[in-house]
Amino acid sequence: GDSVTQMEGPVTLSEEAFLTINCTYTATGYPSLFWYVQYPGEGLQLLLKATKADDKGSNKGFEATYRKETTSFHLEKGSVQVSDSAVYFCALRLNDYKLSFGAGTTVTVRA
Amino acid sequence: EPEVTQTPSHQVTQMGQEVILRCVPISNHLYFYWYRQILGQKVEFLVSFYNNEISEKSEIFDDQFSVERPDGSNFTLKIRSTKLEDSAMYFCASSDGDNSNQPQHFGDGTRLSIL
Repeated sequence: GDSVTQMEGPVTLSEEAFLTINCTYTATGYPSLFWYVQYPGEGLQLLLKATKADDKGSNKGFEATYRKETTSFHLEKGSVQVSDSAVYFCALRLNDYKLSFGAGTTVTVRA
Repeated sequence: EPEVTQTPSHQVTQMGQEVILRCVPISNHLYFYWYRQILGQKVEFLVSFYNNEISEKSEIFDDQFSVERPDGSNFTLKIRSTKLEDSAMYFCASSDGDNSNQPQHFGDGTRLSIL
């Protein structure tokens, strides 16, 4: 079935460090891809999305590019802040209604 | 910015009791969803709802579960006879379309604890 595999955490970084969270997917068609973020004590917030190959989603300094050839959608940020500490979820959606999520990656940024 | 709101934020219930989790989706959205996340596990799809009927459901969504849109604003998830393994965070979501590229907007979740 359709699935998402995310890099396991937790990830601990210093402020201004470069962040990469790997995400690969398996799907029978061409899914739309999403990154959601969950800040402590809050719900899931859409961070960015890409709907077709080579699309780049970006928001709040985060970027991810839809790579069909490697079935990947890695999340990157060039210089993280303490406020970026959160759990990050990669997700896909095909032509049905449901989102399929990865396991989530906990990121902690230290001052 | 419009939000999906969920109540209560935390629900503690005795095993075997019925529980109703409530959600107010974004007002112009037409598609509604429930997901759950058992502690330490993935966020899992439960059910989607459109035009007053279930459009898709997962294997998790058995006869113990039901959903309803009792009025123009609320969307509820009912668990008839709770089990210990129903303990989880339950997320409601809504979207304004069913195309795969249209994002689902989530509430902050209800933490359900079954004793």
